[in-house]
Amino acid sequence: DTGVSQNPRHKITKRGQNVTFRCDPISEHNRLYWYRQTLGQGPEFLTYFQNEAQLEKSRLLSDRFSAERPKGSFSTLEIQRTEQGDSAMYLCASSLGVGHTEAFFGQGTRLTVV
Amino acid sequence: QKEVEQNSGPLSVPEGAIASLNCTYSDRGSQSFFWYRQYSGKSPELIMFIYSNGDKEDGRFTAQLNKASQYVSLLIRDSQPSDSATYLCAVIGGTGGFKTIFGAGTRLFVKA
Repeated sequence: DTGVSQNPRHKITKRGQNVTFRCDPISEHNRLYWYRQTLGQGPEFLTYFQNEAQLEKSRLLSDRFSAERPKGSFSTLEIQRTEQGDSAMYLCASSLGVGHTEAFFGQGTRLTVV
Repeated sequence: QKEVEQNSGPLSVPEGAIASLNCTYSDRGSQSFFWYRQYSGKSPELIMFIYSNGDKEDGRFTAQLNKASQYVSLLIRDSQPSDSATYLCAVIGGTGGFKTIFGAGTRLFVKA
């Protein structure tokens, strides 16, 4: 296993378009997290899954954002009607589903909304 | 009050010196604590974790935890220019449940 994989690595889209990102976690990891990071800031929590269940979604997340993990393996994050303020690095991380274990990050998807 | 607070820096140290990075957290119920290193344009990379009060050493890195003071630190001995990066403090537990909450990070520069 080569770790957490994210696709695409880069995405440029026009304002108002929808985009979808994919994350493949480390195979034995049950928890999967999505974060957003802008320049000079730490990763901001968006949502996380335990297996296929979405257990928490940040209240800062607008309803234009949705995430799924249909079979408890890979996950997708969709942003509808993108805005320039959505431009950021979107990071996926996974961890074992036991206790408070460390999260391992993918390489991220950099979104630019023009 | 932010949940995890770090001095944004930059912290500048000469090569070979000890770099000391500090972090405080607001949720007294937090149970697990992590330090990540992030190079510019790259994703965070885990370098240390600590669960119990006291010190934990791994090579040139030492993590220190004081739950009573809600304080965690990272010491980097014999700092190298390759250590120049942003160091992110992260916590899990308490009212945050199982999600990892990050500080904004401290930028470290090691001067050759």
